Order: sequence, then structure tokens, then C-alpha cells
Amino acid sequence: EPEVTQTPSHQVTQMGQEVILRCVPISNHLYFYWYRQILGQKVEFLVSFYNNEISEKSEIFDDQFSVERPDGSNFTLKIRSTKLEDSAMYFCASKGQGVYGYTFGSGTRLTVV
Amino acid sequence: GEDVEQSLFLSVREGDSSVINCTYTDSSSTYLYWYKQEPGAGLQLLTYIFSNMDMKQDQRLTVLLNKKDKHLSLRIADTQTGDSAIYFCAEKGDYKLSFGAGTTVTVRA
Repeated sequence: EPEVTQTPSHQVTQMGQEVILRCVPISNHLYFYWYRQILGQKVEFLVSFYNNEISEKSEIFDDQFSVERPDGSNFTLKIRSTKLEDSAMYFCASKGQGVYGYTFGSGTRLTVV
Repeated sequence: GEDVEQSLFLSVREGDSSVINCTYTDSSSTYLYWYKQEPGAGLQLLTYIFSNMDMKQDQRLTVLLNKKDKHLSLRIADTQTGDSAIYFCAEKGDYKLSFGAGTTVTVRA
């Protein structure tokens, strides 16, 4: 069964450093998403991406965050200057045209120290 | 905006049925979903229901939707130890899913 692949599975970074979280969505999917889950809390929407542009973003997705689909297969989330409160599990998801289910990756656990 | 509420914990004996409840606020939601998250793992889509349906059954899973009350439930028949996980209800808005806080289901022998 097709999967959404996320790398790395765990990343530790120092406060103030830039991080890039990588995702390879399912190949024929057209809609891409990033969500995050702070330990013990809700899964929160960050951003949706379609046709090479952001469709919607949440209040969390401020100027420190950006997304990119650089080569038609990868979908990346960049955090420019990480803060302690960015520590969370980050999930990538994708969805196909006319498909009802959203497929999530296994997540990247980001720890900011 | 969308808001999804779930009870936080459910303890059930192995072999019994589990019922997980969820309420949502966005009456224009077209699809509602149940996801399962095992410890340290990602979100696995269990099932979904279209908003014009009342019920959907898929093997041991039964989803009931009361659109008038904006109430969704997931029933797991013959609950097994492998069903221990966090279960998330989610509603589909225009561009995204909105999740509840998750119900932690613990199956005891």
C-alpha cells in the first residue's frame, strides 16, 4: 500500500537553528499538509498546499515557517529559527483528487534544546 | 470555526465492545474521520463517513453519525489488546482536517 514517508524520524536541534523536515507524499496525490502534535495535546493544522501554493495556513504558521515542493516529489517544512515551543511531532499528509482519506506519515519528532 | 470534542479516556475489557464518542461544530463538514495512533506511531486512517450517511460498518468497526446533534461515534466490536491506542475524530473543512484531542482506549484482560 502506498505510504507517506517522513525523514528524519527524530531530530534534535539547538534553539535558534534552522531545521528542514522532509516528506515524500504518495506519488499521484495533489494535496499536501503539515500538522503538529505537541506531546499530550491535539493534532494541530499548520498548512495546506495545492498547485504549488499555500491553500490555507493556521495562526501557528507564522513567518518562521515555510513550505516548499522543490522537485515534484518532496514536500518540506522549514522552521527558520527554532524555539523551545516548536518541540513536537510533525506529521505530513497527502490526499489525492477525488480521494476521501488523508494519508499521514509516521512523523518527525523535533526536539529543540 | 471548527471544534471537535472527545472524551479523553476509555477503559474496556477484552472481548467487550468499545464506543468512542465525538461532537463537532461545523455543520458544513462533508466528511468525518476516525484515525488511530499507536504509541510512537503515526496516524492511521480507520474509517470515514460521508455527512449524508447515518451509519457505516467495516468489519469490527461501526460508525454512527447524528448530523442533527453533530455527534459521531465509533464502535469497536470484540475489542482486542491490539486495539489499545489513541483514537482521533476529525472533521473535514474546506482545506484541512480538524482533530479532536483523542480518546485513549485501554484494553484490559
